Amino acid sequence: SQTIHQWPATLVQPVGSPLSLECTVEGTSNPNLYWYRQAAGRGLQLLFYSVGIGQISSEVPQNLSASRPQDRQFILSSKKLLLSDSGFYLCAWSLGQGGYGYTFGSGTRLTVV
Amino acid sequence: AQSVAQPEDQVNVAEGNPLTVKCTYSVSGNPYLFWYVQYPNRGLQFLLKYITGDNLVKGSYGFEAEFNKSQTSFHLKKPSALVSDSALYFCAVRANTGGFKTIFGAGTRLFVKA
Repeated sequence: SQTIHQWPATLVQPVGSPLSLECTVEGTSNPNLYWYRQAAGRGLQLLFYSVGIGQISSEVPQNLSASRPQDRQFILSSKKLLLSDSGFYLCAWSLGQGGYGYTFGSGTRLTVV
Repeated sequence: AQSVAQPEDQVNVAEGNPLTVKCTYSVSGNPYLFWYVQYPNRGLQFLLKYITGDNLVKGSYGFEAEFNKSQTSFHLKKPSALVSDSALYFCAVRANTGGFKTIFGAGTRLFVKA
């Protein structure tokens, strides 16, 4: 069966520090991968999506970047965190264009202080 | 343009009563429609989907949703609410043409009182 792992679960980082959040998927090949941010426990903002290794599409210009070094690995990074980067970050995967829905990771609560 | 609306920020219902969480959408062509549930500090969990076929779709935890093409709605329902159903619910739509992006609604918080 397919599983998605996202870590860490919580993170407190000072302003100006770097960030690396990792997401891995098991049990499937060539998934579409997504990074979302959820602010204040409400709506989801799509940050990045990837349809293959090294292929990253950015939805919103920001202080963050994403990389996909392996088929089932998706990394969200920042060189220098801002206070506004605080939020709940969710990784998700789908088969193809998402017609069967998405499977989400358990999320990372990032607090920038 | 593709969009999805959840008109209620919050729905309150007593345990044992039926519940409805509303969702309307706008998309070109035939839609793929989804409901997800999120518990505090957790990722979203898939509840059910509509692609084609019967307008009444059954999903996890006793939830169902009714697709209404003329009203472009996909309301989530449950005949008898449980306190444990209290959570944040998201409707999502994916177009069947064009960019195939999935759009999520803003979410509706459901409170079930004992």
